[in-house]
Amino acid sequence: AQSVTQPDIHITVSEGASLELRCNYSYGATPYLFWYVQSPGQGLQLLLKYFSGDTLVQGIKGFEAEFKRSQSSFNLRKPSVHWSDAAEYFCAVRAGNTPLVFGKGTRLSVIA
Amino acid sequence: DAMVIQNPRYQVTQFGKPVTLSCSQTLNHNVMYWYQQKSSQAPKLLFHYYDKDFNNEADTPDNFQSRRPNTSFCFLDIRSPGLGDTAMYLCATSRDRGQGNEQFFGPGTRLTVL
Repeated sequence: AQSVTQPDIHITVSEGASLELRCNYSYGATPYLFWYVQSPGQGLQLLLKYFSGDTLVQGIKGFEAEFKRSQSSFNLRKPSVHWSDAAEYFCAVRAGNTPLVFGKGTRLSVIA
Repeated sequence: DAMVIQNPRYQVTQFGKPVTLSCSQTLNHNVMYWYQQKSSQAPKLLFHYYDKDFNNEADTPDNFQSRRPNTSFCFLDIRSPGLGDTAMYLCATSRDRGQGNEQFFGPGTRLTVL
């Protein structure tokens, strides 16, 4: 069964600094990969997804992610963080008709 | 705007008192999902409907049931809530079940069992 690991439980960055959130997956083939964001008390919003093709995918709100097959990783990046980016970020994978499997999430705090 | 709506947003119930959470969608999607998300944890799939076909996850407690009377609505029934059922309940929809189908999430219902 596929699994997702987000090694960082909590990250704090300064506003304007760059951001990278890590995600590693375990699956025999290339699964479908997603990043979701959840603001406090809210549902999940899809930031971006990767199915195939160009390994660098662009998402909403200035986020991008890079798929690296050799490292089984799908890290999320943003060049300049805004205070409004403070939220919980979930990486998720799906293979075939199996359920969407989420990582445990990374909480992002943004300081002035 | 097409969307996924959940009511109520906040629900408080007593231990053992049945509760029903509601989800509706204007996306006309075939699949509707219910997730449970406990504090500081990842969402966990409880079950989903593919049209009228109900699919339960193996580890979903019997205490949790669901109904989908039509395409637009789906309900989560908790027959005898326990303290451990305190959580955020998220409804999601997707056009189809294939792995590439994006899931659209509602804002969630925060349930507190006292």
